[in-house]
Amino acid sequence: KAGVTQTPRYLIKTRGQQVTLSCSPISGHRSVSWYQQTPGQGLQFLFEYFSETQRNKGNFPGRFSGRQFSNSRSEMNVSTLELGDSALYLCASSSREGNTGELFFGEGSRLTVL
Amino acid sequence: GENVEQHPSTLSVQEGDSAVIKCTYSDSASNYFPWYKQELGKGPQLIIDIRSNVGEKKDQRIAVTLNKTAKHFSLHITETQPEDSAVYFCAASKGNTPLVFGKGTRLSVIA
Repeated sequence: KAGVTQTPRYLIKTRGQQVTLSCSPISGHRSVSWYQQTPGQGLQFLFEYFSETQRNKGNFPGRFSGRQFSNSRSEMNVSTLELGDSALYLCASSSREGNTGELFFGEGSRLTVL
Repeated sequence: GENVEQHPSTLSVQEGDSAVIKCTYSDSASNYFPWYKQELGKGPQLIIDIRSNVGEKKDQRIAVTLNKTAKHFSLHITETQPEDSAVYFCAASKGNTPLVFGKGTRLSVIA
């Protein structure tokens, strides 16, 4: 069974640009969550989608957005990039809504903002 | 909202010794407490979890204990091996709310 796939794995952007990250969950999983990982803050929750609906949203500015497609694939977008957005963005899928079951994480997309 | 504190931030042990990582949480309604292990260049992976109706759970060399009254839970790794070297995260949640993670503990097992 294929794991969670995130693309791209690495990317470099400049301030003010926007970026779109993609996540393909494990087949059959309908829940996709996104987390931002930084050395100082650990893993911080961005949002969760289940069956194309945003179920939960973390405390991030409106520049961070996401969506989920009918095949459960998800994308997140960050507009007007800031230096502080440099981080590893992790996607996790689950067979259950909410975070009460095992989350299967991808290897992440490492974003560097210059 | 929930707040999870994790200690220590770094831990070095000799191979074969035990390692203990502790977490405290703030929301007494939290009822699910997983532990994730993140190896270099990989995403976190669930290694063990416990729910609030259980005080202790073991899986081979790994055990987790939960003290609901004190609102803290701990990860215990016995007979540590070099492959246990990684970053470990505790987390807490309730109902369908998102997991709130601690900031992680970097464990180094010295051969």
